[in-house]
Amino acid sequence: DAKTTQPPSMDCAEGRAANLPCNHSTISGNEYVYWYRQIHSQGPQYIIHGLKNNETNEMASLIITEDRKSSTLILPHATLRDTAVYYCIVSPTDNYGQNFVFGPGTRLSVLP
Amino acid sequence: DAGVIQSPRHEVTEMGQEVTLRCKPISGHDYLFWYRQTMMRGLELLIYFNNNVPIDDSGMPEDRFSAKMPNASFSTLKIQPSEPRDSAVYFCASSPQVNTEAFFGQGTRLTVV
Repeated sequence: DAKTTQPPSMDCAEGRAANLPCNHSTISGNEYVYWYRQIHSQGPQYIIHGLKNNETNEMASLIITEDRKSSTLILPHATLRDTAVYYCIVSPTDNYGQNFVFGPGTRLSVLP
Repeated sequence: DAGVIQSPRHEVTEMGQEVTLRCKPISGHDYLFWYRQTMMRGLELLIYFNNNVPIDDSGMPEDRFSAKMPNASFSTLKIQPSEPRDSAVYFCASSPQVNTEAFFGQGTRLTVV
């Protein structure tokens, strides 16, 4: 079973920031938070990951709360091409295995 | 690098036939994963390899499924005999090491009739 909880769907206006929440209240100290997305009929695409500090790259920012029980993925200026299913995953730092579970994710629709 | 390459992209076969899906990971990546995606069950990890050695195959649904990685640049997922409930999109992914991003292929859409 996935160890994360995400809203099933969200809408965002084009050009605005998209803030996707993820709850991982049972996260362990050695587990990273990963975000992937899947655009229709394509393979999942890595976005970002982090352990406890906030992270930023060219695609997005990841904000992890101080207690690490939740996080938010931020797409600063959403475009129509960001419409996809976004997956939040927690996984140990030292292995993959059945811990790397994709839940149902959040279906983000970016509206013109 | 061309990324993770899977073949075929689409496969239609009759129930009872053997099906072989193929994957070429990104050169230099030590980890290779096979996933299955269906509407009902979402993305499921079937098996993963580290340096060509199967590490965790607990996601393989039953003995009809087998996976091999004879060398660092090639892996196969075989279903024998195939059944209609095996119809799904099968993804292969590779990763250079733990705690880094995994790169997914475009998938093979399998239809068993």
